[in-house]
Amino acid sequence: NAGVTQTPKFQVLKTGQSMTLQCAQDMNHNSMYWYRQDPGMGLRLIYYSASEGTTDKGEVPNGYNVSRLNKREFSLRLESAAPSQTSVYFCASSGQGLLAYGYTFGSGTRLTVV
Amino acid sequence: DQQVKQNSPSLSVQEGRISILNCDYTNSMFDYFLWYKKYPAEGPTFLISISSIKDKNEDGRFTVFLNKSAKHLSLHIVPSQPGDSAVYFCAASGGVGDDKIIFGKGTRLHILP
Repeated sequence: NAGVTQTPKFQVLKTGQSMTLQCAQDMNHNSMYWYRQDPGMGLRLIYYSASEGTTDKGEVPNGYNVSRLNKREFSLRLESAAPSQTSVYFCASSGQGLLAYGYTFGSGTRLTVV
Repeated sequence: DQQVKQNSPSLSVQEGRISILNCDYTNSMFDYFLWYKKYPAEGPTFLISISSIKDKNEDGRFTVFLNKSAKHLSLHIVPSQPGDSAVYFCAASGGVGDDKIIFGKGTRLHILP
């Protein structure tokens, strides 16, 4: 199925552990994004990548790192997880035609840090 | 400092009636405005958009209205159906050359039978 695939779907971490959230798209999109969704806070941009080889900080980048491995894949890494990073994480991608098509989102990773 | 504001956390509407979801923004440089729909345990899905050069865009049961002078947009759903029960996010971006989208906090729409 064409779209954005995120793995894993669920994860529980202990404080201080590290992990990488994986995201891949098969739509040949140039731009990719990581958002987090918290209750009452909407979707907030963590990092984005406008093209392969480039990454930039979004609104809430602290505690995260990203890698744009190639055009298809954009990973999000938590080096030392904290309870404040408990959230649902969404990866998205976009190509030309933002107005016509918007972003395509993955189904999310629900992360709990205890 | 919220640039995109959805002041109604929730809204209940009778099936068959019109649902009106509102959104305000503060950044006059926004060029594109989008609405997303989200069901539980799924990612948001793109619904409809409007460019700042227009004041209305229609797609089936969904119409988005933009009032630039008031920095206000609204999404109308007519007639409302049970499957429309979801969280709706208003979003905005700078347009061509600035693909970053800023989202509001969302409005949960309940369609009542």
